[in-house]
Amino acid sequence: DVKVTQSSRYLVKRTGEKVFLECVQDMDHENMFWYRQDPGLGLRLIYFSYDVKMKEKGDIPEGYSVSREKKERFSLILESASTNQTSMYLCASRSGVGPYEQYFGPGTRLTVT
Amino acid sequence: GQQLNQSPQSMFIQEGEDVSMNCTSSSIFNTWLWYKQDPGEGPVLLIALYKAGELTSNGRLTAQFGITRKDSFLNISASIPSDVGIYFCAGQNRSNYQLIWGAGTKLIIKP
Repeated sequence: DVKVTQSSRYLVKRTGEKVFLECVQDMDHENMFWYRQDPGLGLRLIYFSYDVKMKEKGDIPEGYSVSREKKERFSLILESASTNQTSMYLCASRSGVGPYEQYFGPGTRLTVT
Repeated sequence: GQQLNQSPQSMFIQEGEDVSMNCTSSSIFNTWLWYKQDPGEGPVLLIALYKAGELTSNGRLTAQFGITRKDSFLNISASIPSDVGIYFCAGQNRSNYQLIWGAGTKLIIKP
């Protein structure tokens, strides 16, 4: 079974702090994704990475950056957290050669105060 | 970004009832995926569809990839309390890394 893990289930940070969210997958998947999920807005793609050191902006990249130094690990960085970044953050991974299903981690509920 | 039309938004059902939900798109897709999300958890993949007209089952769940490639349906037979949650559809073109998501169908079982 595919396993995607995220470093924290719940996180509380203060406005202006730098925040790191870590995601690790154990299936040797090439592609990894970061989403945020807010009530009524569904899942919105922040960034994705199709290979090590490669990244592409998704629909809402402002205020975020990412890092992919190793194939199994994809980090989301909030350079200076703001209250409007309070959300559920979901990481996903999938094979780069198919099948193309995305597998999700359990999510990190981030609260910025 | 683009979003799929998923309906209904929510459903109140009696235990034992059958459930149907669907997603439609203005674009054609090569893949349709159905996920379920429990409160406070990440979405879990239920069924993946790769071929127009394909009908696939997973236990009491059955999903179909529409012939036009612009829609998909998910049916749940004889619902049970653990079916409660939010069901999402997602579509993908082979040429694009991104999934296009529906807004979700919230399933609630009447006590």
